[in-house]
Amino acid sequence: DAGVIQSPRHEVTEMGQEVTLRCKPISGHNSLFWYRQTMMRGLELLIYFNNNVPIDDSGMPEDRFSAKMPNASFSTLKIQPSEPRDSAVYFCASSLLGGERSYEQYFGPGTRLTVT
Amino acid sequence: LAKTTQPISMDSYEGQEVNITCSHNNIATNDYITWYQQFPSQGPRFIIQGYKTKVTNEVASLFIPADRKSSTLSLPRVSLSDTAVYYCLVAPNDYKLSFGAGTTVTVRA
Repeated sequence: DAGVIQSPRHEVTEMGQEVTLRCKPISGHNSLFWYRQTMMRGLELLIYFNNNVPIDDSGMPEDRFSAKMPNASFSTLKIQPSEPRDSAVYFCASSLLGGERSYEQYFGPGTRLTVT
Repeated sequence: LAKTTQPISMDSYEGQEVNITCSHNNIATNDYITWYQQFPSQGPRFIIQGYKTKVTNEVASLFIPADRKSSTLSLPRVSLSDTAVYYCLVAPNDYKLSFGAGTTVTVRA
């Protein structure tokens, strides 16, 4: 299995531009999570989907952030307009929820976003 | 969410056993305890989870006393490649994980 795939791995953009981060979860997993990691705030959960439906988006910082999961094999996190404080590493993770309780999430390699 | 407290850092040497204790005094009845490992420039990786007593897998052991107010992750015979940040998380049944600052474990030769 290829694991969770994220693209791009690095993104440098100017303030005000739209940024789209992409994630392909592990095949067969039914849940997908978006996290953001910074030195100041650590690793924060932004939003998670179960069966392609957003379950909890309370971690999304503001309306500039949006996430979609049009099908089981693809999700996007969009920031519009981007700001320098959005600079962080964004991780996508997937897991198989249901049945026996498992908190094993598989993380992707992350996208390092720099907004100048 | 139950708050967790774990040491900021720990040093060890190759071949030693490393024990990281995490306190979670406000753990709820339905909460599980889970541990993740993170290497620099990588996403976290699941290590182990447990509810009570002892759980062991090929990587680590997790010890949870009867009152469940703390837990100890045990890494047997560490090597240099075990240098990483280790996160203790209390996991509620809504599957939302809250990562704290973690414990930076440094293994020296």
